[in-house]
Amino acid sequence: KQEVTQIPAALSVPEGENLVLNCSFTDSAIYNLQWFRQDPGKGLTSLLLIQSSQREQTSGRLNASLDKSSGRSTLYIAASQPGDSATYLCAVKTSYDKVIFGPGTSLSVIP
Amino acid sequence: DAGVIQSPRHEVTEMGQEVTLRCKPISGHNSLFWYRQTMMRGLELLIYFNNNVPIDDSGMPEDRFSAKMPNASFSTLKIQPSEPRDSAVYFCATLPGTTFTDTQYFGPGTRLTVL
Repeated sequence: KQEVTQIPAALSVPEGENLVLNCSFTDSAIYNLQWFRQDPGKGLTSLLLIQSSQREQTSGRLNASLDKSSGRSTLYIAASQPGDSATYLCAVKTSYDKVIFGPGTSLSVIP
Repeated sequence: DAGVIQSPRHEVTEMGQEVTLRCKPISGHNSLFWYRQTMMRGLELLIYFNNNVPIDDSGMPEDRFSAKMPNASFSTLKIQPSEPRDSAVYFCATLPGTTFTDTQYFGPGTRLTVL
């Protein structure tokens, strides 16, 4: 059974710092991995989608990597800003057309 | 486009009452998903539709839950009878294609409280 975990559960950093969020999954048989952002009381916004054949994706200050063999993905945020404060979730698509989400990392960027 | 529209945004009801949540997908999107989010269990996929047809409802917790998609522009998630443990935020999401290889677009969610 696929399980997705995220470390740390919460993170607080000063503005301007670079930071890394971690996502781990137990079954490497995935179609893709996606990182989402969720603001309080809002829905999810897709940040980056990495197909199983890809190693990384970049969008602006965000870079996501995928290592299927080790069951890990990282989301790197460069030069963090207070507006980056939100919960970040990773999700994997498994072989059976299901998406399993991690519990999320709550990020707080202090001005 | 207005994005995925969900209604109501908040619902407070008493145990035993019927609850109906509604979702209007983005025009042209072929796949629609219902999720439930709680502090204890995180985000769970309940059911998803391709071209209005339910494909996988194995995530639906109990027979009290049912979902329909009568046409390409409307879906409902019904709970009858509701129980306090159903309290959660329910999200609807849609995809332009028929697989998970593309990006899901989430609605703002319906926060359900069952007293």
